[in-house]
Amino acid sequence: AQKVTQAQTEISVVEKEDVTLDCVYETRDTTYYLFWYKQPPSGELVFLIRRNSFDEQNEISGRYSWNFQKSTSSFNFTITASQVVDSAVYFCALSETDTGFQKLVFGTGTRLLVSP
Amino acid sequence: DTGVSQNPRHKITKRGQNVTFRCDPISEHNRLYWYRQTLGQGPEFLTYFQNEAQLEKSRLLSDRFSAERPKGSFSTLEIQRTEQGDSAMYLCASSLRTGVTSGNTIYFGEGSWLTVV
Repeated sequence: AQKVTQAQTEISVVEKEDVTLDCVYETRDTTYYLFWYKQPPSGELVFLIRRNSFDEQNEISGRYSWNFQKSTSSFNFTITASQVVDSAVYFCALSETDTGFQKLVFGTGTRLLVSP
Repeated sequence: DTGVSQNPRHKITKRGQNVTFRCDPISEHNRLYWYRQTLGQGPEFLTYFQNEAQLEKSRLLSDRFSAERPKGSFSTLEIQRTEQGDSAMYLCASSLRTGVTSGNTIYFGEGSWLTVV
């Protein structure tokens, strides 16, 4: 069965600090996708990134970067020089197949509080 | 803005009443999903449509829940005889399925908060 664990319930940082959000997943499939979503107080889940299991290249998008390591089943998310607007709940999610139906299994989320 | 639209955003209802939520997906998206999220938890899958066909339902979706997508565009989620345990945020999402092996990204709406008193 697929499972996503986000062990950090809440993280507090001061603006401009770097912060890493951890995500560990479990799956028996060899083909799967990993996602990160941001949920601000408004409630909408904002898509950040999708990664397939065959692409272990790290990705950088502005202040955001992702480190995918199949050997440790982890897909960690780093925000560099955090800003107050980064305050939100961040969810990691897993989908085991992309042929036909795709269902996301989410972790419990990490609440990030960035103070000025 | 042409994102996923949900209404109403907030609904307070008395136990035993019926409620209906509407979702308008991103235009041209052929897949539509409903998820439920309770406080402190991640969203949980409820059901999904490919065009107008409902292809899968979670065990979380009891007989009191029904979802439709009559013309393959907007969708409704109805909860009959609401219970306090139904209090949650109901999230709608959509995606465009383009091929057997291609990936697709699921885009979510802002959710509909339900409070059953």
